[in-house]
Amino acid sequence: QSVLTQPPSASGTPGQRVTISCSGSSSNIGSNTVNWYQQLPGTAPKLLIYSNNQRPSGVPDRFSGSKSGTSASLAISGLQSEDEADYYCAAWDDSLNGPNVVFGGGTKLTVL
Amino acid sequence: QVTLKESGPVLVKPTETLTLTCTVSGFSLSNARMGVSWIRQPPGKALEWLAHIFSNDEKSYSTSLKSRLTISKDTSKSQVVLTMTNMDPVDTATYYCARMRYFDRTNDYWGQGTLVTVSS
Repeated sequence: QSVLTQPPSASGTPGQRVTISCSGSSSNIGSNTVNWYQQLPGTAPKLLIYSNNQRPSGVPDRFSGSKSGTSASLAISGLQSEDEADYYCAAWDDSLNGPNVVFGGGTKLTVL
Repeated sequence: QVTLKESGPVLVKPTETLTLTCTVSGFSLSNARMGVSWIRQPPGKALEWLAHIFSNDEKSYSTSLKSRLTISKDTSKSQVVLTMTNMDPVDTATYYCARMRYFDRTNDYWGQGTLVTVSS
């Protein structure tokens, strides 16, 4: 069971806007920044959003991130078929047992 | 151009020790702003962070796997090594190494991953 909670699935039609949520706690999202990764089928994860809302070079501005309190969201506007992938949120966790990186369980995005 | 490549056995037996090597290029393991993480993904399941190491030899391990993991680096060879003891079939997964930025703890570049199967 993952420390960060994501919906297992999401879907949308081409051109639509889709959001994926990520819920955590005060020791992770509440006190650290959130990253988002995109994993296309059969490939390694790719950094999509870092520091809550920053896009690495080459990531289209259709992808955006936000954070509020102990939750974060990834929004994809102008949905395209190539966006069909698994999406993971991640954050540093300052737990009493020692610092860890924690991931969400992943959200499978289907473009209908 | 930053690249990372994992190497190691594709099959290990239960109770054996797994040794994986991550060979990096395009950045130096002596770079104070960078480190390397290991992350795994069982088939059809989510990502799980395992460990990371920075240039100053700062290390951190997954709380749940700490007793079984050891991470080390050879800067001259541009390699980071992860060992995991007492392997079990539940450890069957694709193992990734990824560069980690020190200032924001972000894994910005990932290797292609290597599938390790644990079976007798």
